Amino acid sequence: LAKTTQPISMDSYEGQEVNITCSHNNIATNDYITWYQQFPSQGPRFIIQGYKTKVTNEVASLFIPADRKSSTLSLPRVSLSDTAVYYCLVWGRDDKIIFGKGTRLHILP
Amino acid sequence: EPEVTQTPSHQVTQMGQEVILRCVPISNHLYFYWYRQILGQKVEFLVSFYNNEISEKSEIFDDQFSVERPDGSNFTLKIRSTKLEDSAMYFCASAAGNTIYFGEGSWLTVV
Repeated sequence: LAKTTQPISMDSYEGQEVNITCSHNNIATNDYITWYQQFPSQGPRFIIQGYKTKVTNEVASLFIPADRKSSTLSLPRVSLSDTAVYYCLVWGRDDKIIFGKGTRLHILP
Repeated sequence: EPEVTQTPSHQVTQMGQEVILRCVPISNHLYFYWYRQILGQKVEFLVSFYNNEISEKSEIFDDQFSVERPDGSNFTLKIRSTKLEDSAMYFCASAAGNTIYFGEGSWLTVV
């Protein structure tokens, strides 16, 4: 199981772009990188997933360098409602997902 | 958008009682999971289920816990003889490929 390391907390302001980087040095060949968002008393919500290079959807972008030992979640123009805990998870099909402590993102007005 | 649904959303039970938490996974998914999150702590893996049997379980998932897929659509978590420390949010999840989708959780309070 690949262990992930991400900052415990981050602060940003409304309208800014937020980048959260996650390290996963022992990622395996069949592992995918997935980011989830969790609000208090709610289930983790899928944001974006990638294997390599860059992935973009309507809410975020995910940048993965060639060695795949890290990844960066980019949230464009954040708002107060983006205040949440963000989890970087590395997972292969036959593994169980293990959650770390995540990154507590606090958006300020 | 298909989603994992869980019932009940909240349950209060007396210590020693049995609780069944229910989940309806996304319809074409084949892998099912239960996780729990004690208030203020991280999300913890309990059990994974595939092909009508447990594929992996954590040390938390002892004889007090059991899972079942009784009718091909529901996926249940049974907690026998509940303890105060079982109070937590319980999340069901399902997966088809490389993405796991989580339900909104069942909040269990043991008093």
